[in-house]
Amino acid sequence: DTEVTQTPKHLVMGMTNKKSLKCEQHMGHRAMYWYKQKAKKPPELMFVYSYEKLSINESVPSRFSPECPNSSLLNLHLHALQPEDSALYLCASSQVGTESYEQYFGPGTRLTVT
Amino acid sequence: AQSVTQLGSHVSVSEGALVLLRCNYSSSVPPYLFWYVQYPNQGLQLLLKYTSAATLVKGINGFEAEFKKSETSFHLTKPSAHMSDAAEYFCAVTKGGGYQKVTFGTGTKLQVIP
Repeated sequence: DTEVTQTPKHLVMGMTNKKSLKCEQHMGHRAMYWYKQKAKKPPELMFVYSYEKLSINESVPSRFSPECPNSSLLNLHLHALQPEDSALYLCASSQVGTESYEQYFGPGTRLTVT
Repeated sequence: AQSVTQLGSHVSVSEGALVLLRCNYSSSVPPYLFWYVQYPNQGLQLLLKYTSAATLVKGINGFEAEFKKSETSFHLTKPSAHMSDAAEYFCAVTKGGGYQKVTFGTGTKLQVIP
């Protein structure tokens, strides 16, 4: 199974709402990633978890709160978002080691903030 | 620091013609290089990767890329374009080890003309 799943596929939320994005993989990967992708742009790294610990936070605003409950799951909690946060949010996973391993991406959650 | 530059944000080819997407990298250490493809409203899918085992790398869907250290290039080619190849293509670089902090290029949108 080389699949990364993300739910929901689409999400519309108001600026005062609280919502969560979910990501799951069963490939035994110990690194998981959140990316934000705006239209016609490459993915921008937001967070990296390695062995369930937050390893990288790319200066992301606190209205985005990541969580890694176990090695297969990754959540992104959203609160008080702004319209400019509307984007495709991608989750990815990879092995961890001395070599370089490709990242496996999920299909993304299309987020619209109204 | 590592970076990749993709020349040409849009490339148009006729169906059956050669596809050539250009990528040049900059890295202070031996790089690991990737090409990913993204179809509309989907996540990224790995086409191929260079990890120093061989300079000519074959990937999925008939794509291949050649690592040229002297030219700091990793161009993506396919001998004969198919309509289904129309998508966004991203070149990416990482230095490897541990979790992967990948730097993506700005992307090239490939249009295939029937």
